[in-house]
Amino acid sequence: EVQLVQSGGVMVQPGGSLRLSCVVSGVSISNKYMSWVRQAPGKGLEWVSVIYSAGSSYNADSVQGRFSISRDHSNNTLYLQMTSLRVEDTAVYYCASRISVTAMAFDYWGQGALVTVSS
Amino acid sequence: QSVLTQPPSVSGAPGQRITISCSGTSSNIGAGHDVHWYQQFPGTSPKLLIYANNKRPSGVPDRFSGSKSGTSASLAITGLQADDEADYYCHSYDSGLSGLAVFGGGTTLTVL
Repeated sequence: EVQLVQSGGVMVQPGGSLRLSCVVSGVSISNKYMSWVRQAPGKGLEWVSVIYSAGSSYNADSVQGRFSISRDHSNNTLYLQMTSLRVEDTAVYYCASRISVTAMAFDYWGQGALVTVSS
Repeated sequence: QSVLTQPPSVSGAPGQRITISCSGTSSNIGAGHDVHWYQQFPGTSPKLLIYANNKRPSGVPDRFSGSKSGTSASLAITGLQADDEADYYCHSYDSGLSGLAVFGGGTTLTVL
């Protein structure tokens, strides 16, 4: 059974840094298309960052230069390094992956981690 | 302001058929990018409902269907049930944004 298990939520001050993790079990992440998607309180889904199977990665304009996606094959984990955090980065962050479907859709999601940026 | 436009809310009575639209442009849906749909209940992670415009993942009832035409896509739900009450999001990609992912703003379905 494929599972994506995320680290817990946290509160951080504006300007601070944080690393989110997403441990994947049941399948190797080495050739998987994976992303981070966030959802601000009471708002819709917003795509944040992607890493392709070949290793290239991209970020949304709203986080470009501040967030960085990476993966560790040895422990089958996806990461999101977040720096220079702003109040508007407050959201539930989900890791998401294409595992079984043949299109660029996210068929597996983590349980989400609430990141609160507040002084 | 989301790149893909969805109605904020739709409603229907049990047993009825409803549709949720997802309007894009020539740089995303109209450029040939697939559209995917997710269902999300409060406090839970999104669940893939439809992928590649009209395909259902294993386990999704055939009451749910998707279609795409031109710069728009639609999600249809027939035989509406009380537990279909949730938020629904469309997802595609945008050539004007380096082919990166975009979501619709979401639609809240209320079953009357």
